[in-house]
Amino acid sequence: DAKTTQPPSMDCAEGRAANLPCNHSTISGNEYVYWYRQIHSQGPQYIIHGLKNNETNEMASLIITEDRKSSTLILPHATLRDTAVYYCIVRVTGGAQKLVFGQGTRLTINP
Amino acid sequence: NAGVMQNPRHLVRRRGQEARLRCSPVKGHSHVYWYRQLPEEGLKFMVYLQKENIIDESGMPKERFSAEFPKEGPSILRIQQVVRGDSAAYFCASSPPGTSGPTDTQYFGPGTRLTVL
Repeated sequence: DAKTTQPPSMDCAEGRAANLPCNHSTISGNEYVYWYRQIHSQGPQYIIHGLKNNETNEMASLIITEDRKSSTLILPHATLRDTAVYYCIVRVTGGAQKLVFGQGTRLTINP
Repeated sequence: NAGVMQNPRHLVRRRGQEARLRCSPVKGHSHVYWYRQLPEEGLKFMVYLQKENIIDESGMPKERFSAEFPKEGPSILRIQQVVRGDSAAYFCASSPPGTSGPTDTQYFGPGTRLTVL
């Protein structure tokens, strides 16, 4: 079962920052927060992951609260191509493991 | 996607036939995962394999489904005697060897869409 809670859908205007929240109140100390997205009919795409520090890469930023019970994925300048379902997943890394996908957030970027 | 290849991209089978789905992981990756996505549903884990070994098949249906990842060649997901309920998108993911740090991030292929008539 998924250990995360996400809003089912969100809208964002093109060019604005998209902030996608995720609650993971039962996260363990050795579990990372991973974000993937699935653009319609395509395979899931890895975005970013983190343990407790904020992370940034070329795609997005990940802000994790100090108690690690929630996090926010930030797409700084959303484009129409960012329309997708975004999945927040917690998992232990170090030792390959299956990913447990929840329902995710369907993000729609509006022109 | 980081180079995971799946073929065919689309596969049509009649009820009772066999379906073979192939997955070539990223070069150098030795872990392969198969996931299934039924229409309008989320992705569900099926099986995790390393070279020549099935590590976790907790998501595989007990009958008709099998998977292998031979020493040479792609991973194969095989569905025997397909039924309409097998119609879905099947995604393969791979991750590199190693047991710590961010190196076990899974990278997904484009999927095979199976339609059972």
